[in-house]
Amino acid sequence: KQEVTQIPAALSVPEGENLVLNCSFTDSAIYNLQWFRQDPGKGLTSLLLIQSSQREQTSGRLNASLDKSSGRSTLYIAASQPGDSATYLCAVSGNQFYFGTGTSLTVIP
Amino acid sequence: NAGVTQTPKFRVLKTGQSMTLLCAQDMNHEYMYWYRQDPGMGLRLIHYSVGEGTTAKGEVPDGYNVSRLKKQNFLLGLESAAPSQTSVYFCASSQWDRGGETQYFGPGTRLLVL
Repeated sequence: KQEVTQIPAALSVPEGENLVLNCSFTDSAIYNLQWFRQDPGKGLTSLLLIQSSQREQTSGRLNASLDKSSGRSTLYIAASQPGDSATYLCAVSGNQFYFGTGTSLTVIP
Repeated sequence: NAGVTQTPKFRVLKTGQSMTLLCAQDMNHEYMYWYRQDPGMGLRLIHYSVGEGTTAKGEVPDGYNVSRLKKQNFLLGLESAAPSQTSVYFCASSQWDRGGETQYFGPGTRLLVL
């Protein structure tokens, strides 16, 4: 069974700092990996999707990388803002979606 | 275009009661999913559907049933609620394109079973 781990579970940074969130998975046979954002009491919003054949995807201040062979993905957030405060989840798509438990990010003004 | 909507937003049940959660999507997606989210456990797949009239079990299907009679709706039923089913339930639908499968989530239903 696929297991997805996200470290750290919580992260607090001052505004303006660049940061990296980590996601690791145990089975490299995936179709793609997706990063989501979840605000308190809300559903999930898709941020970036990386196909298994790709190495990275970028959207604005976000950059996600994928190393399928080592079972790792990172989400890089540049110049963090208080509005980035949320929980970030990664999910890998194989025969079904498997989600990590998320990293709770707080950006301090 | 409302995306994915869920009804109700919040519900309190007594042990043994039954209820149905409704998920609706207006994006003409074939695939639909029901997840539950619990602290420290992440999202876990309960059931899913790959098209109208089809359903399949996910990771934690026990105690739940589903139906997909119409393409736009996916219903999750609890026949006899238990306190262990206290959770936040999320519905999602997905589309496939060149980039793979992208999931779109509803706002969630908070269920408390006493």
